[in-house]
Amino acid sequence: DAMVIQNPRYQVTQFGKPVTLSCSQTLNHNVMYWYQQKSSQAPKLLFHYYDKDFNNEADTPDNFQSRRPNTSFCFLDIRSPGLGDAAMYLCATSRDLVGQLDGYTFGSGTRLTVV
Amino acid sequence: AQSVAQPEDQVNVAEGNPLTVKCTYSVSGNPYLFWYVQYPNRGLQFLLKYITGDNLVKGSYGFEAEFNKSQTSFHLKKPSALVSDSALYFCAVMLGRGSTLGRLYFGRGTQLTVWP
Repeated sequence: DAMVIQNPRYQVTQFGKPVTLSCSQTLNHNVMYWYQQKSSQAPKLLFHYYDKDFNNEADTPDNFQSRRPNTSFCFLDIRSPGLGDAAMYLCATSRDLVGQLDGYTFGSGTRLTVV
Repeated sequence: AQSVAQPEDQVNVAEGNPLTVKCTYSVSGNPYLFWYVQYPNRGLQFLLKYITGDNLVKGSYGFEAEFNKSQTSFHLKKPSALVSDSALYFCAVMLGRGSTLGRLYFGRGTQLTVWP
């Protein structure tokens, strides 16, 4: 029944060691988003895919990359995690860019800890 | 630049009392406005939205919100709070056109605590 699934729920990685977070969706939505949410802060958009078109936010560090091999899956790669990258990472989808009917559908998030 | 402000970090109310969680926005053009709720260690859940039309919108779990264009506000309300409403609430704005089409910009969130 789950529609946007993020794996794993909790991820611990070492400082500087590449890590990949996964998101999958069963909604067949065109758009997939990645947000970073640090403690007591607003979720911050990192980038999104509209179909195969990748759109990076201007202030997203180069350390963060993303891949979308097909409609269902989207990955967040952190090439060299720093302590400041510890956060909850949220994946979301919408049917189209405006997503008027229901806003976004969010996954449960992956909490990343960097040690 | 677009922004969303939630002036209160915390709102505390007694069960059964009405609650209000405030949100103001600053955007160019007509915004789409949303409220989301987040429970601990979970993703965000959609509550309600304003796109156009009636300024009072009703959403999930008995919540409603009033769009006020002159005050650029979109306050979340509920006539009678429940302990189970305790959670983190986010206001968000989405622009319907331009280079930021489709992007949701969130406020910092308001922690609502309803005590028995």
